[in-house]
Amino acid sequence: QSVLTQPPSASGTPGQRVTISCSGSTSNIGSNFVFWYQQVPGAAPKLVISRSNQRPSGVPDRFSGSKSGTSASLAISGLRSEDEADYYCVAWDDSLSGQVFGGGTRLTVL
Amino acid sequence: QVQLVQSGPEVKKPGASVKVSCKTSGYTFTSFPIIWVRQAPGQGLEWLGWISPFHNKTVYAHILQDRVTMTADTSTTTVYMELRSLTLDDTALYFCARDYRVGSTVTAAEGYYWGQGTLVTVSS
Repeated sequence: QSVLTQPPSASGTPGQRVTISCSGSTSNIGSNFVFWYQQVPGAAPKLVISRSNQRPSGVPDRFSGSKSGTSASLAISGLRSEDEADYYCVAWDDSLSGQVFGGGTRLTVL
Repeated sequence: QVQLVQSGPEVKKPGASVKVSCKTSGYTFTSFPIIWVRQAPGQGLEWLGWISPFHNKTVYAHILQDRVTMTADTSTTTVYMELRSLTLDDTALYFCARDYRVGSTVTAAEGYYWGQGTLVTVSS
């Protein structure tokens, strides 16, 4: 069981906006930054959201992140076929003194 | 350009140790921490630890605390991750990644530049 909870799957059609949620607790999301990674199977992860709501250099503005209380979300607007991948949230956990990942959400572009 | 090149695949027996290297280039080695992450076959990502080459400070995941050691060699700009007392559950693809920001703290560590991954297979 992952410390951070994500839905196992999400889907959308090209052009749509999809949102992926990440639920945690006061010891992780509630008190620390959340980061989001995109991973195509077999490849290294790619950072798409930094410090809860910032886009790293090179990430299109279709990607956005937000955090409220002990939950965070990743939104992808103008969905494209190349967005089909697994998405992971991660945050530092003060109780465990380590970073904890969500279980990942597989995004399918229909 | 920033590059992280990891060592090749390893096959180990249970109880053995493995040492994975991550050769970095294209930036000031001591300015950016490195994180290690692994992914078991068909599973999600798991954070293993963090090392700051500048401070020579490490933070390890609690579940690996007594089995893992991360080191940084400033002369070769290479970071190493050694995992001891291997079990079948340690079979995974191991990644190193350089932080996005200069001097980032462990609580805000994030992987921006990634190695290609090293497959470690533990099998009897």
